[in-house]
Amino acid sequence: EVQLVESGGGLVQPGGSLRLSCAASGFIFSSHWMNWVRQAPGKGLEWVATIKQDGSEKHYVDSVKGRFTISRDDAEKSLYLQMNSLRVEDTAVYYCARGPNFGGRVDFFDYWGQGTLVTVSS
Amino acid sequence: EIVMTQSPLSLPVTPGEPASISCRSSQSLLDTNGVNYLDWYLQRPGQSPQFLISYVSNRASGVPDRFSGSGSGTDFTLKISRVEAEDVGVYYCMQARQTPYTFGQGTKLEI
Repeated sequence: EVQLVESGGGLVQPGGSLRLSCAASGFIFSSHWMNWVRQAPGKGLEWVATIKQDGSEKHYVDSVKGRFTISRDDAEKSLYLQMNSLRVEDTAVYYCARGPNFGGRVDFFDYWGQGTLVTVSS
Repeated sequence: EIVMTQSPLSLPVTPGEPASISCRSSQSLLDTNGVNYLDWYLQRPGQSPQFLISYVSNRASGVPDRFSGSGSGTDFTLKISRVEAEDVGVYYCMQARQTPYTFGQGTKLEI
């Protein structure tokens, strides 16, 4: 069974940092694109970042470029999101989502974790 | 950035009746390879989103065949042939044609 379990969320002050983790199991982690998607309270879904199977490609939404870094550790079957210079508008539930294990692009997100809440507030 | 627009934003339905959600993109989602990169997701109340459909009309594993997708280019539709109580939630379309991947605002289906 595919499982994605996020952790690392919490309350942080504006300008602070946080590192999210996503522990994967039930599939060959190293074979898949992996992604972070967020959802602000009461709002819709927003794609945040994507990383290719070998880590050679990373893509970010403009609003987090230069502040967030996506990474992966295939040996640990884990996905990470390092978030620096956090802003109030980064407050959201952050979901880890699995992408395909084929092709040179992310065509869909077929499994999602339960999410971890990040609150940026003074 | 490709903007995705869904309608309606709220959809009251009666169990057993059909339902239809429209999704429009600001640019064509048809790639040079002939594939439209349009997905559908359902977020049930209090749950994480779940994958329903990729490439406009390919149902994900375990998705009932009462769900169907259609369209091409910039106009897409998700149809539920006979709504059941478990279909309640917010439906999102998403374009995977190019980054940034973008979602529609969501359509809340309620019984």
